[in-house]
Amino acid sequence: AQRVTQPEKLLSVFKGAPVELKCNYSYSGSPELFWYVQYSRQRLQLLLRHISRESIKGFTADLNKGETSFHLKKPFAQEEDSAMYYCALRGGSEKLVFGKGTKLTVNP
Amino acid sequence: SQTIHQWPATLVQPVGSPLSLECTVEGTSNPNLYWYRQAAGRGLQLLFYSVGIGQISSEVPQNLSASRPQDRQFILSSKKLLLSDSGFYLCAWSRAGNEKLFFGSGTQLSVL
Repeated sequence: AQRVTQPEKLLSVFKGAPVELKCNYSYSGSPELFWYVQYSRQRLQLLLRHISRESIKGFTADLNKGETSFHLKKPFAQEEDSAMYYCALRGGSEKLVFGKGTKLTVNP
Repeated sequence: SQTIHQWPATLVQPVGSPLSLECTVEGTSNPNLYWYRQAAGRGLQLLFYSVGIGQISSEVPQNLSASRPQDRQFILSSKKLLLSDSGFYLCAWSRAGNEKLFFGSGTQLSVL
C-alpha cells in the first residue's frame, strides 16, 4: 500500500529563517515523490519532483530511501512561500497519493 | 493549451438528495482523470481515478461513484447524499504516464 505522512499540520517560521517541511512515505517498491503547493486563492500545482533534482523557488527536496523521507527545504523563507504544501507519491500505477498537507506561514 | 473545467463551484444539497459533479478537460486526448476530496485535517484524499473511458478505479469505500462516459469527461455522483459527504471536491488530469497533475478549481459541497 502507498502511504504518505506529513507529521506537521501547521508550521510557522519568520522571514529569512530556514524551513523544512517533513514528508515520510511507505511503499515497498521504487517510489516517485513530489511536492505540490496551493497558494491562497490559487489552484493546487506541482512544485517539484524528485526525479528532476531541481530547485524551484529556492526549494529543494532529496529522496532518502533509507529513511523513506522526502523533506522539502528552503534556506531562507519568504513571506510569499506561505501556502499549503502537499507531499505526494506515485508507486507503479497512474494514481497519485497525497499526504494530509502542511500549512506553512512565514511571518514578517 | 489544455484546460480543465469543473462545476459547479459551490453546491448546497439536502441529505438524501442525489449528486452530480462534472469535470471536463480540453486540449488533450486520453488523459488520466482523478477525483480528490480535500477536507480539513484529512488532506487530499484520492476517491477515484480513470485511465480510459469506462475504466474507473475506486480508492475508498464510500457513498460516491464515478463515471467516464466520454474521453474527457469525468462525473462524480451519489444517489443519496450523507452529511459526511460534505467537503471540497477537486478534479484533476494528467497525461498518461506523466505524474504531473493539473487541478480544477474545485467544488465546495455542503450537505445539510
